[in-house]
Amino acid sequence: GQNIDQPTEMTATEGAIVQINCTYQTSGFNGLFWYQQHAGEAPTFLSYNVLDGLEEKGRFSSFLSRSKGYSYLLLKELQMKDSASYLCAVRGGSTLGRLYFGRGTQLTVWP
Amino acid sequence: SQTIHQWPATLVQPVGSPLSLECTVEGTSNPNLYWYRQAAGRGLQLLFYSVGIGQISSEVPQNLSASRPQDRQFILSSKKLLLSDSGFYLCAWIGGNGAFFGQGTRLTVV
Repeated sequence: GQNIDQPTEMTATEGAIVQINCTYQTSGFNGLFWYQQHAGEAPTFLSYNVLDGLEEKGRFSSFLSRSKGYSYLLLKELQMKDSASYLCAVRGGSTLGRLYFGRGTQLTVWP
Repeated sequence: SQTIHQWPATLVQPVGSPLSLECTVEGTSNPNLYWYRQAAGRGLQLLFYSVGIGQISSEVPQNLSASRPQDRQFILSSKKLLLSDSGFYLCAWIGGNGAFFGQGTRLTVV
């Protein structure tokens, strides 16, 4: 089966840095995705890791360790608009094509 | 560039009525397409997955079905809706540089 775990909630203040962790156990692995989802909206793609290491995109970075089944999303210089749910998703399964999601981490950024 | 269209945005349907939600992708060929449902305050549940025309994998036994009549078209259907079918339905595709969602359809079964 597929098991993707991430914290339910996190809080941080404007200007700070926050790290959202994700651990996974899947049958097969073909990439890990991070999404941002504001209430009532569709998820927005943030990052994609298929090899170990850090991928940086502006204020957002994502890290992957395949041997540890672990990833994190790093958000720098937090802004109020970053308050949202952050979803970790793993592409795997028997044909490496299925995309499974964690339940999401609700991040609240305080002024 | 690639885009994904999904409609309608909102839908209110009575119990027992049929359902048809459509998703189309532009700017790519032979995409992997997905249907997800998100219940209020819950994570995304994978419903169906398709790698090509006529090829559908069902993840969860349920009151829904999916079809892929054309390369860039993915349809979610039901013959008779249940109250438990209410939720936020999302279509997605995976490309070489990421995975992207349509705007979603908020379905309320009354």
